[in-house]
Amino acid sequence: AQSVTQLGSHVSVSEGALVLLRCNYSSSVPPYLFWYVQYPNQGLQLLLKYTSAATLVKGINGFEAEFKKSETSFHLTKPSAHMSDAAEYFCAVSDGDNYGQNFVFGPGTRLSVLP
Amino acid sequence: DTGVSQNPRHKITKRGQNVTFRCDPISEHNRLYWYRQTLGQGPEFLTYFQNEAQLEKSRLLSDRFSAERPKGSFSTLEIQRTEQGDSAMYLCASSLATGGYGYTFGSGTRLTVV
Repeated sequence: AQSVTQLGSHVSVSEGALVLLRCNYSSSVPPYLFWYVQYPNQGLQLLLKYTSAATLVKGINGFEAEFKKSETSFHLTKPSAHMSDAAEYFCAVSDGDNYGQNFVFGPGTRLSVLP
Repeated sequence: DTGVSQNPRHKITKRGQNVTFRCDPISEHNRLYWYRQTLGQGPEFLTYFQNEAQLEKSRLLSDRFSAERPKGSFSTLEIQRTEQGDSAMYLCASSLATGGYGYTFGSGTRLTVV
């Protein structure tokens, strides 16, 4: 069964600073990996996804993530934080069948951006 | 297509009452999922449909919960005899049946049981 850990339930950065949100996964098969963002009282919006193509994945709003098999990681980065990036971020893993209990979300990391 | 639509956005109900939520998925998506999200947690899987067939249910889905997707389009989630512990955001998502594409989520229905 898949699982996801996100180190740091809350991360604070200054506006313009590097954003790094950590995600580690476990999966018995080559995984598909996703990052979602959730703004207050909203649903989840897909930021980017890794589906066994390029290991460096670029997403929306300037975010990118790198799949590192040896480290079982899929950390999310953005070179320069903007105030509008303040939100909750969720990493998710699936085994490719992409359904039901095989699609697992991490507990989330809340990103605060300080002026 | 305007994405996944959920109604109502907010629902406040008294303990013991029944509530029903509706989800309209993206029209070409044949899979539909229900998740529950409590404060500070990631979404937890409840159930999913492929077309009108309910293919999987989580152990979180007690017998007070029932979901339907009668014509393979919209879905409803009903909670009977609500309890305070049912207070959460209920998220609906849809996807194509082929793997690896991720889900498209609706904005959710926030349930508060008082």
